[in-house]
Amino acid sequence: DQQVKQNSPSLSVQEGRISILNCDYTNSMFDYFLWYKKYPAEGPTFLISISSIKDKNEDGRFTVFLNKSAKHLSLHIVPSQPGDSAVYFCAASVATDKLIFGTGTRLQVFP
Amino acid sequence: GAVVSQHPSRVICKSGTSVKIECRSLDFQATTMFWYRQFPKQSLMLMATSNEGSKATYEQGVEKDKFLINHASLTLSTLTVTSAHPEDSSFYICSASSSGEQETQYFGPGTRLLVL
Repeated sequence: DQQVKQNSPSLSVQEGRISILNCDYTNSMFDYFLWYKKYPAEGPTFLISISSIKDKNEDGRFTVFLNKSAKHLSLHIVPSQPGDSAVYFCAASVATDKLIFGTGTRLQVFP
Repeated sequence: GAVVSQHPSRVICKSGTSVKIECRSLDFQATTMFWYRQFPKQSLMLMATSNEGSKATYEQGVEKDKFLINHASLTLSTLTVTSAHPEDSSFYICSASSSGEQETQYFGPGTRLLVL
């Protein structure tokens, strides 16, 4: 069974608006969460992470929120730009051991 | 949901030996499988893309004679690291996608390789 789920396979957002990508997990032992961005024909590149002792981590236009009680993770991109169009994967791990990935959400930012 | 497994999860080998890593899609047919190597700072490098029944397409800089990929069936792909050296020590992850879902990838749990 999928321990990390991204239930929205795609998302379309207008340039300048907020993009919100969601991720749910089932394993309460996960204590480290990451978001990756992937362009076609490339490997996922690390974007931002958060440990379970925090509920928010911000890096420029990217903010990750963690709701441990709901086992829910979200990535906010504000303002969205056309260059943000890519597939986004969330991933989780226990004590920075092996990563368990979600299935990805394709974000399209249109002018 | 779709599940991808990898075997072994961890392997330690001596320098000069070959190591085979298996990637299996357990409940769906994976027409395409991807092999990644994880580098520091967590990013994953795409090594190769394999389609069932055809030769793998390797990314630039990846030695195809060193990293042998076989995708013999719709549920199994293997990566063989031949004549492994300590610099090959890494975390190798596979992912799989099925026809019509090219942008949905199901990742395996990864294999940690340590070459002594």
